[in-house]
Amino acid sequence: EAGVAQSPRYKIIEKRQSVAFWCNPISGHATLYWYQQILGQGPKLLIQFQNNGVVDDSQLPKDRFSAERLKGVDSTLKIQPAKLEDSAVYLCASSLSPWDRGSPNYGYTFGSGTRLTVV
Amino acid sequence: KQEVTQIPAALSVPEGENLVLNCSFTDSAIYNLQWFRQDPGKGLTSLLLIQSSQREQTSGRLNASLDKSSGRSTLYIAASQPGDSATYLCAVERNYQLIWGAGTKLIIKP
Repeated sequence: EAGVAQSPRYKIIEKRQSVAFWCNPISGHATLYWYQQILGQGPKLLIQFQNNGVVDDSQLPKDRFSAERLKGVDSTLKIQPAKLEDSAVYLCASSLSPWDRGSPNYGYTFGSGTRLTVV
Repeated sequence: KQEVTQIPAALSVPEGENLVLNCSFTDSAIYNLQWFRQDPGKGLTSLLLIQSSQREQTSGRLNASLDKSSGRSTLYIAASQPGDSATYLCAVERNYQLIWGAGTKLIIKP
C-alpha cells in the first residue's frame, strides 16, 4: 500500500512569512494527525482529525497555525506568520479509526516529514 | 498525567551485539504501546505495536515486551548491524492520543 505522502520535504522561509504543508494519508485511514518535532525531542501533537472533523487541537497555536482536512482525505497545515521557534520537522500521520484499535492493521503510519527552517 | 521515559538517551555498541532499549510509563491505563524508528532527517517508521492485552511482539531480529503492571517495555535487538543505527522512540496510546518518549539514539559501530 502507498504510504503517507507529504510535501514539500524542505522549506526555508524568513520570519513573518507564511508557509503551507500538505499531507495525503493512507487510503481508508479515518484519523489524521499533524505533529511538530523539535530536534532531540519526541513529536508533539498539533491537531488530530477524525474524517473531516477536529478531535483535538489543544496544542495548536491558533493565533498563527491553522489546519484543515477537506472531504476527510488530504490535509493542509499553515503557519502565518512564522516565528524562529517554529523551526522543526512537521510530521503527518494517519491511522484507522480509534474504534478499530483491536484490528491487526491498527497503527500509526508517518510520512517523511517537512523540515522547516525559519531564518 | 502520563509520562514516557526512555533510557538510555544514547547508546553506542559494536556490531553483532544483542542490546536492549528501555521505555517506562507512569500510567498503566494504556491501549497499546508502539516502537518506532527514526533515521536522521526522515519520518518515523513503525516497528512493533503491542496491544494492552499482549505481552510481546516479534518481527525479525526485533522483540518488544510489555509489562503494564510495572509500566515498562523493552525493545530487544538481536545481532545488531550498522544499518540498525537510528533513533528509537516508544509511544503509548491513551485517550486516542500517543504520548511519546524522547528516544534512544543508537549507533552500531562496524
